[in-house]
Amino acid sequence: AIVLNQSPSSIIASQGEKVTITCRASSSISSNYLHWYQQKPGAFPKLVIYSTSYRASGVPSRFSGSGSGTSYSFTISRVEAEDVATYYCQQGSSNPFTFGSGTKLEIK
Amino acid sequence: EVQLVESGGGLVQPGRSLKLSCAASGFTFSNYYMAWVRQAPKKGLEWVATISTSGSRTYYPDSVKGRFTISRDNAKSSLYLQMNSLKSEDTATYYCARLSFNYGSYDYWGQGVMVTVSS
Repeated sequence: AIVLNQSPSSIIASQGEKVTITCRASSSISSNYLHWYQQKPGAFPKLVIYSTSYRASGVPSRFSGSGSGTSYSFTISRVEAEDVATYYCQQGSSNPFTFGSGTKLEIK
Repeated sequence: EVQLVESGGGLVQPGRSLKLSCAASGFTFSNYYMAWVRQAPKKGLEWVATISTSGSRTYYPDSVKGRFTISRDNAKSSLYLQMNSLKSEDTATYYCARLSFNYGSYDYWGQGVMVTVSS
């Protein structure tokens, strides 16, 4: 199984700050198959970025993604209070589809 | 509007069975692969099962293979998860999710249903 190592496990940021989360895969993945989810406290996960860099419908432009091969990143250009959530990467390249361990974003 | 509504969760003793259901609406259910993903309390996301559009192909991780069975009824736009020989480590919120056409991403999720395995 492809293991996704996400870092950091938690971030405390100020509003307006830029934050970046990294997701490293144990094997190379086509960028088409790497996705990011946002899970707000007490809620279900929501797809925010698919295929590395494409924003899902309705997702603000401050969310972006990049990467290739085994290294991917997710960036919020200017954090807002509503972005408090846990973010997960996920690969859909090979079964079992796996998720990263999550990055919890908190606001100072 | 796409909606996925799970039901059937609850408290169950170890070794017993439980069947979850997911009612889908707002899209052509039979056109999509569907999946179950779970989340243990305070833990991350774990894929549990996937089923093809017709139901002819199913996929499971080793952690549930042989104990869980995913199925679907396209006429009823419904997805199911039969869970047998439940263990305490199966305690989790179970989400029904739609697999998008985009390279294995889950583009819609239900609100989740809690399953607690305890004596």
